Amino acid sequence: NAGVTQTPKFQVLKTGQSMTLQCAQDMNHNSMYWYRQDPGMGLRLIYYSASEGTTDKGEVPNGYNVSRLNKREFSLRLESAAPSQTSVYFCASPRRGESAGELFFGEGSRLTVL
Amino acid sequence: GENVEQHPSTLSVQEGDSAVIKCTYSDSASNYFPWYKQELGKRPQLIIDIRSNVGEKKDQRIAVTLNKTAKHFSLHITETQPEDSAVYFCAATISNSGYALNFGKGTSLLVTP
Repeated sequence: NAGVTQTPKFQVLKTGQSMTLQCAQDMNHNSMYWYRQDPGMGLRLIYYSASEGTTDKGEVPNGYNVSRLNKREFSLRLESAAPSQTSVYFCASPRRGESAGELFFGEGSRLTVL
Repeated sequence: GENVEQHPSTLSVQEGDSAVIKCTYSDSASNYFPWYKQELGKRPQLIIDIRSNVGEKKDQRIAVTLNKTAKHFSLHITETQPEDSAVYFCAATISNSGYALNFGKGTSLLVTP
């Protein structure tokens, strides 16, 4: 029972390349979230999906797109990567149910854009 | 957007001393306030949380207090141990965004033996 699984764990891209970060949760909850973490900046919300079929922008959505493929999967796409998108990306989903509040994070995906 | 401010950004204490980390938030509709601990290279993990209808909560050596009127909440760690060394993040719910959390920028805690 992994909870939240992210792939890949590491990726190096050149400026302008595209890639998709995959996230899957097995906790059967409706909402899923993508955050990015940069040194000294905490975790910042990129996009979220409150339920299957819906997505909404968070604090830092520029340069990203998302797809809620089904209840389990929520992917984050970088269409044309930029060095400013070098970061650690975390996917999250509620652990105990939406109203309980706690978010459970995946192990993270470390992305470097050269 | 709504902010969560966290202080201090770094904190160094001696083993056995107490550590206090403070956060303020601006979204008056926030009703859930978790604290996460993140060790180097790991995911953030919940250590304690508090809801808006409670003023204080304790779990062994850690406690959280909430003052909704002043919009601030604090993490207290007593009898610190070297394994408490990590980065700690406070967070608050963002209204009208599912159940998303807005995080502070983190406090790097170092406990020296």
